[in-house]
Amino acid sequence: SAVISQKPSRDICQRGTSLTIQCQVDSQVTMMFWYRQQPGQSLTLIATANQGSEATYESGFVIDKFPISRPNLTFSTLTVSNMSPEDSSIYLCSVGTTANYGYTFGSGTRLTVV
Amino acid sequence: AQSVTQPDIHITVSEGASLELRCNYSYGATPYLFWYVQSPGQGLQLLLKYFSGDTLVQGIKGFEAEFKRSQSSFNLRKPSVHWSDAAEYFCAVGPGGGATNKLIFGTGTLLAVQP
Repeated sequence: SAVISQKPSRDICQRGTSLTIQCQVDSQVTMMFWYRQQPGQSLTLIATANQGSEATYESGFVIDKFPISRPNLTFSTLTVSNMSPEDSSIYLCSVGTTANYGYTFGSGTRLTVV
Repeated sequence: AQSVTQPDIHITVSEGASLELRCNYSYGATPYLFWYVQSPGQGLQLLLKYFSGDTLVQGIKGFEAEFKRSQSSFNLRKPSVHWSDAAEYFCAVGPGGGATNKLIFGTGTLLAVQP
């Protein structure tokens, strides 16, 4: 299965600032996803990162707050903009491959906003 | 609506005891089903998955799960729990036809293992 490198692994940020999270995959993948896991909660999909087109956002998530880039089939970034303490969460990148019908997750970015 | 329910928020078992974590799903089409484990401060690791065929699926770390269509369930089992199994476990469902769409996750079950 694909191997995902997600950076940074953790960060503490000031409110009002932005953080960009990177997701690098060791092979070309069709689908890349960004999830949020709030403290003590399950995973919620933020958006699907589409290569060559705008990301597809889930209800409750907007591009201005969570802009996503997908310049090629192995890389994507998620930016958390104008952060507030409510954005403190773990953000996870995931990829899906049709080869083995599997979804692989990165190790996550633990974000704390102060 | 598509959903996954994990009825048990927290479970404590003794080391060496058997384990069963429950998962029920609601899905309109034939689902793909997954169990993931998340250790503290870590990402998600896939334990096993079910797409079709034999309804009893073997996974890593000695885990298995059984798909029961009539009960809309996909319960995770392990015959003898080890202290290292203490973690949070998530059941997830996705659409059939390949990994091209989002997964829907349950709320998770936190497993504690007593010595």
